[in-house]
Amino acid sequence: GQNIDQPTEMTATEGAIVQINCTYQTSGFNGLFWYQQHAGEAPTFLSYNVLDGLEEKGRFSSFLSRSKGYSYLLLKELQMKDSASYLCAVKDSNYQLIWGAGTKLIIKP
Amino acid sequence: GAVVSQHPSWVICKSGTSVKIECRSLDFQATTMFWYRQFPKQSLMLMATSNEGSKATYEQGVEKDKFLINHASLTLSTLTVTSAHPEDSSFYICSASPAGGGGNQPQHFGDGTRLSIL
Repeated sequence: GQNIDQPTEMTATEGAIVQINCTYQTSGFNGLFWYQQHAGEAPTFLSYNVLDGLEEKGRFSSFLSRSKGYSYLLLKELQMKDSASYLCAVKDSNYQLIWGAGTKLIIKP
Repeated sequence: GAVVSQHPSWVICKSGTSVKIECRSLDFQATTMFWYRQFPKQSLMLMATSNEGSKATYEQGVEKDKFLINHASLTLSTLTVTSAHPEDSSFYICSASPAGGGGNQPQHFGDGTRLSIL
């Protein structure tokens, strides 16, 4: 079956750095996406990786290793507004998006 | 760019009512739109894939006669929850990707519809 694993919850301090990991086992791979979802709101797109390596976008970076079936989302200079759930999703061989359960990130002052 | 509009944002209605939710891609065409449901503190659950001009593809366990999907144009898909009951109360979210954009196109989400059935 297809499976995406990410931690259920993480806590970090304002101003610090946090890394949210995602491992996947899917039938084929056509890219990995990270989304941010604030409570009660719809997800918003953060990043896309299809080749190995690091993609940087401001305070957020996303890394992919296809051979390891592994990705992480790195958030720097954490702000209170970064408190949200972070969803990892992979497009399989049929270009269907397989979603992880999400990681709830709690930022403390 | 890539804005998806979903309407209404909130619906509160009596049990037995049918509720229609609209999803529009405002600045792009979408041959495929997706309907999700999310219960509190749970992950997104794909309900169905809406295909322009053809029947929707429903996920296992989702009743197609209860959740009617119509995708009559490249910019509009509708989800109708027929004869809604309290257990249908949930957060319904649609998403879409630009047509012909390739596998790297992210899904862009509407703001969601919070449905409460009394």
